[in-house]
Amino acid sequence: EVQLVESGGDLVQPGGSLRLSCAASGFTFSSYSMNWVRQAPGKGLEWVAYVSNTNTTMYYVDSVKGRFTISRDNAKNSLYLQMTRLRDEDTAVYYCARDRNYGDYGRWNYWGQGTLVTVSS
Amino acid sequence: DIQMTQSPSSLSASVGDRVTITCRASQHISSYLNWYQQKPGTAPKLLIYAASSLQSGVPSRFSGSESGTDYSLTISSLQSEDFATYYCQQNYSPPWTFGQGTKVEV
Repeated sequence: EVQLVESGGDLVQPGGSLRLSCAASGFTFSSYSMNWVRQAPGKGLEWVAYVSNTNTTMYYVDSVKGRFTISRDNAKNSLYLQMTRLRDEDTAVYYCARDRNYGDYGRWNYWGQGTLVTVSS
Repeated sequence: DIQMTQSPSSLSASVGDRVTITCRASQHISSYLNWYQQKPGTAPKLLIYAASSLQSGVPSRFSGSESGTDYSLTISSLQSEDFATYYCQQNYSPPWTFGQGTKVEV
């Protein structure tokens, strides 16, 4: 059974940093590209970042470029999101999501349960 | 960036109703359009991919169609478990973008 379990969400002050993790199991992690998608309270979904299965290609939504870094450790079956210079508008539930199939970029059929990041003073 | 305009933002319906939600892309996206269902407090669930392909395990009352840059999700006979928020999403090119969502309620 495919499982994605996020952790690391917390209350952080504006300008602060946080690192989210996503532990994957039940599939060959190194074969799939991975993503972070977020949802602000009461709002819609926003894709945040993508990393290829080989950790060589990354994409970001403009609002987080230069502040967030997506990475992965295939030996540990783990996905990460390093978040710096956090802003109030980064407050959201952050989901990790797996591509539906190898090469099926931007189409996600497995999601974690989400981890809440709150940016507030 | 590709903008996805979804309508309506909410709708009221009853069990057994036929429901249609539409999504318009700001440019041609070649059927790279997915539909997700989200219930409160849970992660989104993929329903339809590539505009009209039913994800495994999704009931056949859900269907997708396209006409040019317009895409539609139809629920042929609404069930109680279908009351939720639905999102379209393009995966033609990053940044992958979602519509604003449609809340289907009683």
